[in-house]
Amino acid sequence: DTEVTQTPKHLVMGMTNKKSLKCEQHMGHRAMYWYKQKAKKPPELMFVYSYEKLSINESVPSRFSPECPNSSLLNLHLHALQPEDSALYLCASSQGQPRLGETQYFGPGTRLLVL
Amino acid sequence: KQEVTQIPAALSVPEGENLVLNCSFTDSAIYNLQWFRQDPGKGLTSLLLIQSSQREQTSGRLNASLDKSSGRSTLYIAASQPGDSATYLCAARGNNDMRFGAGTRLTVKP
Repeated sequence: DTEVTQTPKHLVMGMTNKKSLKCEQHMGHRAMYWYKQKAKKPPELMFVYSYEKLSINESVPSRFSPECPNSSLLNLHLHALQPEDSALYLCASSQGQPRLGETQYFGPGTRLLVL
Repeated sequence: KQEVTQIPAALSVPEGENLVLNCSFTDSAIYNLQWFRQDPGKGLTSLLLIQSSQREQTSGRLNASLDKSSGRSTLYIAASQPGDSATYLCAARGNNDMRFGAGTRLTVKP
């Protein structure tokens, strides 16, 4: 299995809603990442987990809350989002040494619309 | 802060042409440089990764080079095909971050 899967594919939520994005991989990777990509812009790194510990938080607002319950699963909990948070949210994984610069494998993304 | 620039922003070529996409970065202290392909509304597919100690990598019709000292990488696509149409992104991996360029949108016309 060489895939990173993300659910849901699409999500529409109001500004008062609470929702979660899910990312899963079964490649034995120990590093997982969340990126945000606005339309026609490059992806921007949000969070990095290495061995289930948060190692990088790129000053992301607290309305985004990541969680890594185990080495295969990465969640992004969303609460009180703003319309400008609408974007494609991409998850990625790599073998486990992010600082050494490994190949990252990306999921298809969740397209989020905040109304 | 690392800045990554890709030129051109868009490129349209007839099928069969060889082409070069350019990527430049401001901080040469990188671990690696990775090239990705992204189809509209989709995730990223890794094409080639060049470690900082390497000069180039090849995969099929793709060849990527890296010149750390000048802060440049190029992606060479040989004998382009309509299926190559996509946005190509380069990303420079540093100590604590991974910075992407804005991408080159490639269209290969039959």
